[in-house]
Formats: sequence, C-alpha cells, structure tokens
Amino acid sequence: NAGVTQTPKFQVLKTGQSMTLQCAQDMNHEYMSWYRQDPGMGLRLIHYSVGAGITDQGEVPNGYNVSRSTTEDFPLRLLSAAPSQTSVYFCASSYSPSIYNEQFFGPGTRLTVL
Amino acid sequence: AQTVTQSQPEMSVQEAETVTLSCTYDTSESDYYLFWYKQPPSRQMILVIRQEAYKQQNATENRFSVNFQKAAKSFSLKISDSQLGDAAMYFCAYPGGSEKLVFGKGTKLTVNP
Repeated sequence: NAGVTQTPKFQVLKTGQSMTLQCAQDMNHEYMSWYRQDPGMGLRLIHYSVGAGITDQGEVPNGYNVSRSTTEDFPLRLLSAAPSQTSVYFCASSYSPSIYNEQFFGPGTRLTVL
Repeated sequence: AQTVTQSQPEMSVQEAETVTLSCTYDTSESDYYLFWYKQPPSRQMILVIRQEAYKQQNATENRFSVNFQKAAKSFSLKISDSQLGDAAMYFCAYPGGSEKLVFGKGTKLTVNP
C-alpha cells in the first residue's frame, strides 16, 4: 500500500493564482482531512470529509474548497492564492469518521505564495 | 473551544537519558482519546502513542510511555533511553469533537550525543 500520497511536494504561486493540491489514499478510509502547519501554530484543520459526497469546514476554511467524489481522493483547491496561505499542507485519513482512530498523514506539500 | 497546550516550545536531552514532554488539555467530556505525534525533519507525521481516557493504565509503546492524569487534564510523554532518531517535533492532540483533531503547538526535542 502507498498509504496517503500528496502532490506536488513543493509549489510556488503568485498572488491571485489558483491551484489544486492532490491527496489520495489506498486504504479504503472513509475519513479524510486537510491541515495546514505554520511555525508556532501546530496543525490546524481546514476541511474534512466523513465519506464520499460529504465534506465540512474545519477551523480555518476561508480561501479553500474541497470536494469528495470518490473514497480515494480528497483534493484541496485554492481559489485565489494569498501570501497568508503560504504554509505546509497535510492530508490525513483514518479508518472511520470517528477521530478515535489513528490518522495516517501524507508527506505534506510546501506552498509558497509570492 | 477545545484547547491543547504544550508549554515547552523546546527541550533537549542527552542520548540514553529520559525526557518528559508536557501537555494539558481542556475538555468537559468523559470519554475520549489523546494522541502524541512525532514529526521528524522529513516532515512525516507519525503516531507515537495513544491513550484512552477511560483506561486507568497509562499507555506504553517500547521506550515511549505516558503519564495520564485525568483529573488534572494532563497527558505527558516520557521517552526513555533517548536515541538520536528521537529528535523531532512532538505534537499532543485531542479530539475537538467527534470528527476533528486539535493539535498543540508542538515541542521541539533535541537529542545531544
């Protein structure tokens, strides 16, 4: 199993550009989520999904969109990139919607917005 | 709001010695889990240990153990016989609701040879 994969690993954008961060998992996990990690802030939840077709907002959803058309994929879209979105982004998945299960993380995407 | 506090931004330990990382949290729930994650320089987040709040016994995974004080809402991580590979950021995490995990701001652990 590849586990949780994320692409790209690094990305540089200009202010106002849009892009999609890709996340896929091959463990048949129902629960998937996106976090951003900023220095001194820990990880903050952006959006999450408890199954295909179901998404909800986390702590810092503004400026980001998600959709979940399949169990495997959970892309994160930046609609109009801003310098405040410079961060490291992590996708995670777990076996069931209950947070009591271990979350498996992808390797992260380092995004810089100029 | 659910909060998780790690009061030590940085810690250091000599190789082969023991170090304890602190974590406190705020909740009104009675049944929950607590987690410690490790993030080495590779950036990969790895689950170190998990504690079930309704269990009296502290969780142990090889050299890693927790000191769980439910009444004090304290969940510290003890690393015994520290190794160079233990150097990393360590994050304490707590479910902020049934579908959300809330992370502390992390403790950077340095292991000195």
